Amino acid sequence: GAGVSQSPRYKVAKRGQDVALRCDPISGHVSLFWYQQALGQGPEFLTYFQNEAQLDKSGLPSDRFFAERPEGSVSTLKIQRTQQEDSAVYLCASSQGRSGDTFGSGTRLTVV
Amino acid sequence: GESVGLHLPTLSVQEGDNSIINCAYSNSASDYFIWYKQESGKGPQFIIDIRSNMDKRQGQRVTVLLNKTVKHLSLQIAATQPGDSAVYFCAETLEGDDKIIFGKGTRLHILP
Repeated sequence: GAGVSQSPRYKVAKRGQDVALRCDPISGHVSLFWYQQALGQGPEFLTYFQNEAQLDKSGLPSDRFFAERPEGSVSTLKIQRTQQEDSAVYLCASSQGRSGDTFGSGTRLTVV
Repeated sequence: GESVGLHLPTLSVQEGDNSIINCAYSNSASDYFIWYKQESGKGPQFIIDIRSNMDKRQGQRVTVLLNKTVKHLSLQIAATQPGDSAVYFCAETLEGDDKIIFGKGTRLHILP
């Protein structure tokens, strides 16, 4: 596609509910990143894939967070048993190599 | 859409004047630097990048300056326009790593 597409655009979850956030990267982009952006802050790294391999998951805040990219294209970020502190914008980015990544518009998650 | 950077430092510039946004980084191992622009409700948008073996790079209406001695990065925007209103983030990557580390943002406000 023309850009990185994320869905849903907005998600409201009750505390304790599981959520799944989807990212469609730019076609052919090898690298895919997930970031979390709290209100008033810069994005913070969560995890990184190169094709289907998850090379770095050091930024995932707890074992409730899980990401996958089984076929090396679409990626899903799953959050189990959501908590209020998980409320944030979740950004996905893709790139061909070591250059400025292209970001999607994000999914705004609100946990109530 | 949601607001980004409600409590960020703000730089107010008269339309038509030049803007200079500054950023300090702390890691000497950083070898690649990027400036992003983020408008409300959108993901960060790549503006310009610079590698650590350079001290200046110019784009269309934008210039990035890198001073490795004092670990300082700046973004200069010439002839600032209303469309330049956004939050600007500097970002860095460490040598041998691909994830992007974002700095604190600066909100650029254009005065008519």
